[in-house]
Amino acid sequence: QVQLQESGPGLVEPSGTLSLTCTVSGGSISSNTWWTWVRQPPGKGLEWMGEMHQSETSNYNPSLKSRVSILLDKSNNQFSLKLTSVTAADTAVYYCTNRYSSGYPYWGQGTLVTVSS
Amino acid sequence: DIQMTQSPSSLSASVGDRVIITCRASQGVTNDLGWYQQKPGKAPKRLIYLASSLQSGVPSRFSGSGSGTEFTLTISSLQPEDFATYYCLHHTSYPLTFGGGTKVEI
Repeated sequence: QVQLQESGPGLVEPSGTLSLTCTVSGGSISSNTWWTWVRQPPGKGLEWMGEMHQSETSNYNPSLKSRVSILLDKSNNQFSLKLTSVTAADTAVYYCTNRYSSGYPYWGQGTLVTVSS
Repeated sequence: DIQMTQSPSSLSASVGDRVIITCRASQGVTNDLGWYQQKPGKAPKRLIYLASSLQSGVPSRFSGSGSGTEFTLTISSLQPEDFATYYCLHHTSYPLTFGGGTKVEI
């Protein structure tokens, strides 16, 4: 069973870059699945941010415009999220997950990132 | 973008009640839809995939149905541990979108 664990700073300054890492265990980052980030602002619903396949094909939510990128680190079995030019609206719990043809069976526990000076 | 409209946004129910949650898609999503349960402070947990398939380990009181643009999640007999927020999610085209959520309360 795949296990996912998010890590990274819990506080980011406005206009800075949010960077998170998801460590994958019980499965290979090179497997045929889409490595995904989802976020949830406090008290609100879930937002799909984007995904990356091991073939280096990526898809992103247009609502995030060009601010978001996802990278794979095959040597460490990890994938990462970078979100630039952050504002208070980017304060959220960030989840890593992975998509199969049937959807998302595995999720990390989530990590809260607060954007504040 | 495909909009996913969930209803109701919240409901009050009692243990033993039958609960039905609906998700309507603005365009057809075939059966590329899942239902997820989320409890406070926890990650979403998949209950149903491909509209009607029960995730392994999930109690059989949960069921899903529908295809195209209208889907339902049914809890046949609500249990105390089922009080949570439920989301639908389509994965048929980009961007993937969640429904707004249904909070099931006592």
